[in-house]
Amino acid sequence: ILNVEQSPQSLHVQEGDSTNFTCSFPSSNFYALHWYRWETAKSPEALFVMTLNGDEKKKGRISATLNTKEGYSYLYIKGSQPEDSATYLCASALMNSGYSTLTFGKGTMLLVSP
Amino acid sequence: NAGVTQTPKFRILKIGQSMTLQCTQDMNHNYMYWYRQDPGMGLKLIYYSVGAGITDKGEVPNGYNVSRSTTEDFPLRLELAAPSQTSVYFCASSPRGRTDTQYFGPGTRLTVL
Repeated sequence: ILNVEQSPQSLHVQEGDSTNFTCSFPSSNFYALHWYRWETAKSPEALFVMTLNGDEKKKGRISATLNTKEGYSYLYIKGSQPEDSATYLCASALMNSGYSTLTFGKGTMLLVSP
Repeated sequence: NAGVTQTPKFRILKIGQSMTLQCTQDMNHNYMYWYRQDPGMGLKLIYYSVGAGITDKGEVPNGYNVSRSTTEDFPLRLELAAPSQTSVYFCASSPRGRTDTQYFGPGTRLTVL
């Protein structure tokens, strides 16, 4: 079982602040890295799937980078808004982890105050 | 376009009772998953399936059973419920494997007393 670590555990920012979180994962046998956004009382929704070292993905004000050699990914939110408040999950897939299983981190809980 | 649906949304069980959590997807996805989410612990994989008739254990399979007789349905069976199975259960599906986004159902909140 691989360890996927996310930091910080929680974050409280003001509206308009930019912020970023970290996801760390074992770099050996890396296959893919997923980011999900999970609002309270809802189910997780996909943000990005990343596979290549140096990959950078963007969706609106949210972007993510990937470093497979050192085993980390950053998620950035530019100009945070209250509707960005959610838990952000990352999940890693290994080449030898069975057909299609992901291992999830515990998430970073973001609260954006108006 | 329903996506992934789960029933029931909430359930309270007594210790020793059994129940089946239902999961159905209408996206013709080959892969389906069951996760449990405990406070502060993230999502843990219970069982998964890569197609009808094929299932495999995840990280925390003890106390659960699954079957996959059709592409659409992936029920999770709890036999002899225990308080340790109090959790929120999520079903998910994806077209294929590790690079495909997983689509999650709304969850089932189960309490075992």
